Parts: sequence; structure tokens; C-alpha cells
Amino acid sequence: NAGVMQNPRHLVRRRGQEARLRCSPVKGHSHVYWYRQLPEEGLKFMVYLQKENIIDESGMPKERFSAEFPKEGPSILRIQQVVRGDSAAYFCASSRTSGTGFGKLFFGSGTQLSVL
Amino acid sequence: TQLLEQSPQFLSIQEGENLTVYCNSSSVFSSLQWYRQEPGEGPVLLVTVVTGGEVKKLKRLTFQFGDARKDSSLHITAAQPGDTGLYLCAGLNDMRFGAGTRLTVKP
Repeated sequence: NAGVMQNPRHLVRRRGQEARLRCSPVKGHSHVYWYRQLPEEGLKFMVYLQKENIIDESGMPKERFSAEFPKEGPSILRIQQVVRGDSAAYFCASSRTSGTGFGKLFFGSGTQLSVL
Repeated sequence: TQLLEQSPQFLSIQEGENLTVYCNSSSVFSSLQWYRQEPGEGPVLLVTVVTGGEVKKLKRLTFQFGDARKDSSLHITAAQPGDTGLYLCAGLNDMRFGAGTRLTVKP
């Protein structure tokens, strides 16, 4: 399967714990996007990364949230000291070109984060 | 950041009916994409429209890009239960999505 791989598929955390969500893009893709989705809602943009660089993090809360896309390995979305309001589905997408280059986004199946 | 408005938010119809959903913005799109998302899965790209006035067809789905490139529509002919899902539009300027139209097609 050469698609975007997200893990874990489901993640349960207690309030105050850390959540680490992983995303392996399509092989050869150097652009990664993270989105958050609440039930019955659309996708809310969080962050756009290229290899080793954060290009746009305007949708990501400045506190407790961070993202990285290292030279080697998957992209990581990290949420520290989780709260119940962080419960949501988090989707990762990758593309070969940037948005303005007519890039097609390939999405993973998401990580459902539940905070108890 | 380009704000995208999609309407209607929810749509429930019977199998065989036709429907149209809309995506609008106050600013111009460089190009626009439509995605469909099924429950428990990530969105899947349906089409990219680039040129004002462009019409693209994908089987029973017809996508239109407004002349001014500020709006787009998706028309489905003879809807089937398999068309059920969340239809999302996204502007390629910044890869932001609208809130989507949640379509249910009843057999």
C-alpha cells in the first residue's frame, strides 16, 4: 500500500497526557498537511510542512501543539497536556507539489483521538 | 486566508433524484478541488477545476467552475446510495476546505 499511513488509528489519552500522531506520506511526497475534524464538521487546516520546514502553522494553536516533518521518518503532530476539547479526528495529507502547483492531496485514514 | 462557504450543509434525498451543491468564496480561486469523504475515512479527490467557466464530468457528477472563479457547483444526476458522503471543496491557494455538504441518498 503506497498511500498515506497514519498511526495509531485510535488513540485514547487521559487529560494532561501527551498525544503523538504519526503520518508517513506517499513515497516521494515532500509536502504534508495536518487537518482536524470534529463530528459532523469539515476539515480545519492546522499546519503545512515541507521536509524539515514548517511553511504555514496559522491553523495550529500556539500552545501545546507542535508539528515536525524530519528529513528521515514520518511527520509527527504532538499535543501536550491534552484536554477533552482536543478529542477529534486528525487527518494527514501529502502531495508532491505545493497547493498552488495543482497538487493532489492524498489523505490517510486519520487518527481518532479520544481524551478521557 | 480564503474563506469557503458550502451549501447546503445537509441534504437528504431519495435514490434517483438529482441534486446540486455549491461552494462559494468572496475572493478568486487560482483553482479549486472537490473531494468526497466517507465515514471513517479520509477525503478522496474527485476533480480539480482551473479555468473560469470550466465544466468537468465524472460519470453522473458534473462540476462547474464559475466564470469569475469565485464559485463552483457539483451536480449529481440520478443519485445512488453509494453517493452518500461528505462533499468538500478546497481552494488550491492555501489548501483550506469548506465545511462541506453532508449528502444522504436513501434507497
